Amino acid sequence: SQQGEEDPQALSIQEGENATMNCSYKTSINNLQWYRQNSGRGLVHLILIRSNEREKHSGRLRVTLDTSKKSSSLLITASRAADTASYFCATDADAGGTSYGKLTFGQGTILTVHP
Amino acid sequence: DGGITQSPKYLFRKEGQNVTLSCEQNLNHDAMYWYRQDPGQGLRLIYYSQIVNDFQKGDIAEGYSVSREKKESFPLTVTSAQKNPTAFYLCASSIWGAGVEDTQYFGPGTRLTVL
Repeated sequence: SQQGEEDPQALSIQEGENATMNCSYKTSINNLQWYRQNSGRGLVHLILIRSNEREKHSGRLRVTLDTSKKSSSLLITASRAADTASYFCATDADAGGTSYGKLTFGQGTILTVHP
Repeated sequence: DGGITQSPKYLFRKEGQNVTLSCEQNLNHDAMYWYRQDPGQGLRLIYYSQIVNDFQKGDIAEGYSVSREKKESFPLTVTSAQKNPTAFYLCASSIWGAGVEDTQYFGPGTRLTVL
């Protein structure tokens, strides 16, 4: 079963604009991660946020987590054409506090940044 | 040059044939994973292994088999029992252990097409 669901499915913006992608999940988690995938390539890890954190930054990326709503958002500021890719959230389900390493991925948001 | 490699990049198979996809990592990671990705979809877990000589079924293991004889290697065999094997296959690895937050490192993928 899909743990994470992402919204929107596709997002098209101009260079310099901000891009926001949302992820909702169903069960308790240890952490939530965001990955990026360029077309036809493997995934690259972007950022991890723990269940006891509310916000995290990494360069132009800002991730928020609301465990009461079981949702997260990824904000990319000042987007560039090179940010064009698919973005996936992945949840590491909480199994009594022990991470078993299994991630469940959402279906992804396709981001297109026009020069 | 550390990383995770997959071969071949493209693979064509006739119906009824078994094929084996290679995955090798030199990151000294304990855990390895196989995912399947269909067009416009997220990743679905096929099998994973947290230690040599042990592996577990994921969400869609039917028609697939794996082995983990060496820490560095986790080959996936797509058998003739897999009814719809055409897909993009991704291998990943991670450090694993209680309390460890697992970031997964992905290979470049193998695109399998059944003719």
